[in-house]
Amino acid sequence: AQSVTQLDSQVPVFEEAPVELRCNYSSSVSVYLFWYVQYPNQGLQLLLKYLSGSTLVESINGFEAEFNKSQTSFHLRKPSVHISDTAEYFCAATFNQGGKLIFGQGTELSVKP
Amino acid sequence: DGGITQSPKYLFRKEGQNVTLSCEQNLNHDAMYWYRQDPGQGLRLIYYSQIVNDFQKGDIAEGYSVSREKKESFPLTVTSAQKNPTAFYLCASSPIGTGGFNEQFFGPGTRLTVL
Repeated sequence: AQSVTQLDSQVPVFEEAPVELRCNYSSSVSVYLFWYVQYPNQGLQLLLKYLSGSTLVESINGFEAEFNKSQTSFHLRKPSVHISDTAEYFCAATFNQGGKLIFGQGTELSVKP
Repeated sequence: DGGITQSPKYLFRKEGQNVTLSCEQNLNHDAMYWYRQDPGQGLRLIYYSQIVNDFQKGDIAEGYSVSREKKESFPLTVTSAQKNPTAFYLCASSPIGTGGFNEQFFGPGTRLTVL
């Protein structure tokens, strides 16, 4: 079955430190990949997406993710986090055009001063 | 402002009662979705609809029902048959294009608690 796995349920980190949130997906010929962010008691917002082309995609607030086909990974990184980045992050995938969006279990990022 | 609204934000229900969660969008999107979110489990698809008067079951449809009488509205009813209804419910919508991915936009969610 097609799946998305987030390897860490919680990631505590100090402010201004780098962070990596890991995401792996089940191998597929065709895959679209996404990272969503959810602030407490709110809906999800799309952070960034990989559809095709350059394997490195960036968001407007300094996050980036790299599509690695050989490793079937789409890890999210930020070189220096802020308190305001504290949220839950979801990796998601669509495994064929127009297919369902499949979510990982979520990673709770907690940034401490 | 275009967007998705869900109401109410918090909902309490007694065991054995049906309850309906509202979802409205003014984005002119054809597709709408309902997800259930539980801690540590991500989001799971309950129902989705791509056109008025038609909808399909998702992965966890048992104990839920939906209707799509208008393009803008996709209410979800949590019935007494749902064994563990306490959760955070998220509604989403997306356009439907030809090929590729159609981004889903999410509402703010409704937190349902069964007493």
